[in-house]
Order: sequence, then C-alpha cells, then structure tokens
Amino acid sequence: AQKVTQAQTEISVVEKEDVTLDCVYETRDTTYYLFWYKQPPSGELVFLIRRNSFDEQNEISGRYSWNFQKSTSSFNFTITASQVVDSAVYFCALSGYNAGNMLTFGGGTRLMVKP
Amino acid sequence: GAGVSQTPSNKVTEKGKYVELRCDPISGHTALYWYRQSLGQGPEFLIYFQGTGAADDSGLPNDRFFAVRPEGSVSTLKIQRTERGDSAVYLCASSLTAAGLTDTQYFGPGTRLTVL
Repeated sequence: AQKVTQAQTEISVVEKEDVTLDCVYETRDTTYYLFWYKQPPSGELVFLIRRNSFDEQNEISGRYSWNFQKSTSSFNFTITASQVVDSAVYFCALSGYNAGNMLTFGGGTRLMVKP
Repeated sequence: GAGVSQTPSNKVTEKGKYVELRCDPISGHTALYWYRQSLGQGPEFLIYFQGTGAADDSGLPNDRFFAVRPEGSVSTLKIQRTERGDSAVYLCASSLTAAGLTDTQYFGPGTRLTVL
C-alpha cells in the first residue's frame, strides 16, 4: 500500500518569508515517482515537479526548491521569498511502479501568504 | 496548446438522478485518469484508461460509477442513482502514455458535482 502524509494542514507566513512544506511517503516499491502539485483558488491542479526514486539530487527552480531524502522517505518543498501569489493548497503525490499509474495524494497543505 | 478540459464545470442534481461528466484530454495523450476530491482532502484515484480500455478501475467506489472512452480520446464518467455522498469535485487528468515508467499527469479544472 502507498501512503503520503502532509502533516501541516495550514501554514501562514508574511510575504518574503521562506517556507517549507513537508511530505513523508510510504511505499513498498523500489521504483517510484514523487510529485508536487499546486492548487490555487481556481481549483486546477498545476504540476510543479516530478522526481524518480533513483535521483536524490535536490532541485531548484527559481524560488522553488525540493529536497528528496530516501533515508527519511521525505520530499520537502521550500519556497524562498514567498509572494502572495504563492497562496494555494499544495499536494505531494506518489506513484509506485508496481502500484500502477495512479497517483496517491497527501491531504494537502494550505499556504497563506499575507502581504 | 490546449490543456485538459472538463464539462460541465458545475453540476447540481437531485438524489437518485443520473449524471454524466465529460473529459477531453490533451491532444495526443493516450492515458486518461479520473480522480475525486472531497472538500479539504487530496484527490483520490477512481479509474484510468490506456487507449479505449480501462486499465485499472480499482478506485471506483461501487457499481453506480462507470466510465467509458470509446474512441480513445474523450471520456465520460457516469454516475447512476446519485447520493449526497457523491458530492465532490471530479478531476480528470491525462498523460502522454501509461506504459512502463510513469508519465506526468496533467489535470483539468474539474467538475463540481452537488447532489441535493
């Protein structure tokens, strides 16, 4: 069985603060993929990043960075210098090779960035 | 290019009625997925298609739910004898393929279903 846990249900920060969203996963697969999606108030899930289980290199894309640590089964997401437009619900998701192509989502973290 | 589209964006129906929700995937994407998102929760998998066939329907909650994709493009999710507990946002996603390693799934805006 697969499971994704996002322990932070809601985070509130002031603009320009850095914020880290936590994601912990469980899977029996040795080959798997991890994802982050953003869901703004409009409701559409926007793909942010995909990472496979064999690539533990951290990734940076502009103000966004991701830290993948297999040893702790975590795939955390950091936003640097947050902006009001970053306000959204963020979902971490997992797809295991033997579990088929379905995505297993965490419960999401609602990020509120105040001006 | 055009993303995944879903119609209608909102659907209000009465308990016991039949509803159909439509999904039009990204052109050229052979895999199509349906998820259901209840308020305050993450999306939950329902079914996915590779081409015209349902490759995995293990997430469908019961036999009132059915989905088709007759020509390998547009898909329709059908719910019979709707219940209040079916109220949720139904999300559709598509990916380039579903063979071998997982491709990234791109989501549509969803259909918000309300059963009164």
